[in-house]
Amino acid sequence: EPEVTQTPSHQVTQMGQEVILRCVPISNHLYFYWYRQILGQKVEFLVSFYNNEISEKSEIFDDQFSVERPDGSNFTLKIRSTKLEDSAMYFCASREGSNSYEQYFGPGTRLTVT
Amino acid sequence: AQSVTQPDIHITVSEGASLELRCNYSYGATPYLFWYVQSPGQGLQLLLKYFSGDTLVQGIKGFEAEFKRSQSSFNLRKPSVHWSDAAEYFCAARGYQKVTFGTGTKLQVIP
Repeated sequence: EPEVTQTPSHQVTQMGQEVILRCVPISNHLYFYWYRQILGQKVEFLVSFYNNEISEKSEIFDDQFSVERPDGSNFTLKIRSTKLEDSAMYFCASREGSNSYEQYFGPGTRLTVT
Repeated sequence: AQSVTQPDIHITVSEGASLELRCNYSYGATPYLFWYVQSPGQGLQLLLKYFSGDTLVQGIKGFEAEFKRSQSSFNLRKPSVHWSDAAEYFCAARGYQKVTFGTGTKLQVIP
């Protein structure tokens, strides 16, 4: 069964460093998402991406964050200058098309900022 | 604003007992509704979903959920809980684009 994959599974970085989290959505999907979950808290929406542009973003998704689909398969989340409070589990999700209801979630990348 | 409420932060049940986890949503129209389960340090596994039609939906691992429009609820049930069901459960709703998650209910199962 096709699935969303994410790499790495765990990333440790120092405060102020840039990180790129990678996702490979399901191949025929058109809509892409990033969510994050701070330890012990609920999953929060960050951004949605369609047709090579951001379609919706939350207030969490400030100028430190950016997303890109650099080729036909990867979908990346970049954090320019990480802060301690960026430590969280980051989930990528994808959805097939406008008539499909379900978002398929990847296993997540645990980001630890020290 | 769209919201999903899970009033129970933590629930403890005995193995073999029945389970009901509560979820209420607040949306402009009927959203698409989901229940996910998350084991510690793991990702999100979809248990079941409701889009339309029959208001009682069956999911994996013996779970079911009932959509009640009049109560804006989508409660998750299981007739007999197993120790392996101990995890955190998230109710979620999808509007146009984003999925909004509830705060989760941690399920503890005691022998």
